Amino acid sequence: DTEVTQTPKHLVMGMTNKKSLKCEQHMGHRAMYWYKQKAKKPPELMFVYSYEKLSINESVPSRFSPECPNSSLLNLHLHALQPEDSALYLCASSLSQGTVYGYTFGSGTRLTVV
Amino acid sequence: GQQLNQSPQSMFIQEGEDVSMNCTSSSIFNTWLWYKQEPGEGPVLLIALYKAGELTSNGRLTAQFGITRKDSFLNISASIPSDVGIYFCAGLGTSYGKLTFGQGTILTVHP
Repeated sequence: DTEVTQTPKHLVMGMTNKKSLKCEQHMGHRAMYWYKQKAKKPPELMFVYSYEKLSINESVPSRFSPECPNSSLLNLHLHALQPEDSALYLCASSLSQGTVYGYTFGSGTRLTVV
Repeated sequence: GQQLNQSPQSMFIQEGEDVSMNCTSSSIFNTWLWYKQEPGEGPVLLIALYKAGELTSNGRLTAQFGITRKDSFLNISASIPSDVGIYFCAGLGTSYGKLTFGQGTILTVHP
């Protein structure tokens, strides 16, 4: 299995809702990442998990809350989002933090905040 | 922080033409990656470069890691309509585990 699987593929949520994005990989990678991407722009790093511990938080607002329950799963919990948070949210994984070996992106979750 | 300047921003070419795009930086990068992204999908890795001066091919794609470690280029030969997409360079530098992305090159291929 050489994939990063993200669910759901599309999500529409209101500003008062709570929702979660899910990411899964079974490649034995120990680093997992969340990115945010606006249309026709490069991905922007949000969080890095290394060996299931939060390693990097790129000053992301607290309405985004990451969680890594185990080495294969990464969640992003969303609460009280703003319309400007609408974007493609990408998950990625690599063999370990600090290396790009196997650096693989998922297909993303298209989030629309209304 | 580290930045990558990617050019051109967009290209409109005829099927069969060759394409060249590049990324430059004032900082040194240890690894260069080239990705392609199609609408509604995540970036897909095309080529990874690990050593200064390295020249690597993947089918019609060729990429090089600049000898100064501050630049990289990607060439696509004999373009076809399915080459359409956004191409991103990315570098792994001194910030542990953080990829720096270029702004992307939007490629349009006319049949």
